[in-house]
Amino acid sequence: QVQLVQSGAEVKKPGASVKVSCKASGYTFNDHYIYWVRQAPGQGLEWMGVINPSGVTTIYAQGFQGRVTMTRDTSTTTVYMELTSLRSEDTAVYYCTRGLNRNNWYTATDFWGQGTLVTVSS
Amino acid sequence: DIQMTQSPSSLSASLGDTVTFTCRASQGITDYLAWYQQKPGKLPKLLIYAASTLQSGVPSRFSGSGSGTEFTLTISSLQPEDVATYYCQKYDGAPFTFGPGTKVDIK
Repeated sequence: QVQLVQSGAEVKKPGASVKVSCKASGYTFNDHYIYWVRQAPGQGLEWMGVINPSGVTTIYAQGFQGRVTMTRDTSTTTVYMELTSLRSEDTAVYYCTRGLNRNNWYTATDFWGQGTLVTVSS
Repeated sequence: DIQMTQSPSSLSASLGDTVTFTCRASQGITDYLAWYQQKPGKLPKLLIYAASTLQSGVPSRFSGSGSGTEFTLTISSLQPEDVATYYCQKYDGAPFTFGPGTKVDIK
């Protein structure tokens, strides 16, 4: 069965960086794009960007440009999202989610990781 | 960037009611529109994609319609388990913006 398993909760100080992992299993890793979405406490969903696991294509939301990097390791079928220069407003649950359609990034997403809470506090 | 709005922001309805809410895009997105349900403390769940295609395993009381700039999600015969926040999302191009959500509860 398809699974996306994310790394555990993190507590970071302002200005620090965080790297969240998302290990995929149960499907052909290279066939589906992985997206990152975050949700601040009590707030809605915010799209951060997308990575093509079979290549080096990444697209980031403008609000995260220069602070976010998405990478992947095909040998371990793991995708990573690193966010730098953290501020208190970055406190949120970060989700990875899989593109529904194969080899097409213009798609909704079907499976979600369990979420990783990142708390930014001094 | 294309902006997504949803209305109403919340609604309260009785069990068995048919409820409809709207998602609007500031520019046309053809049918590149998905609906997600998020129950309190749970992960988002895909309900509808391509504006009107029901995701596998989703009850048939959920339906979507629309194209271009205006879309609707309808729940026929509201059930207790439908208490949730519903988000629309565009995916015609980056950014894949979500709407702010419609919160549904039982009257």
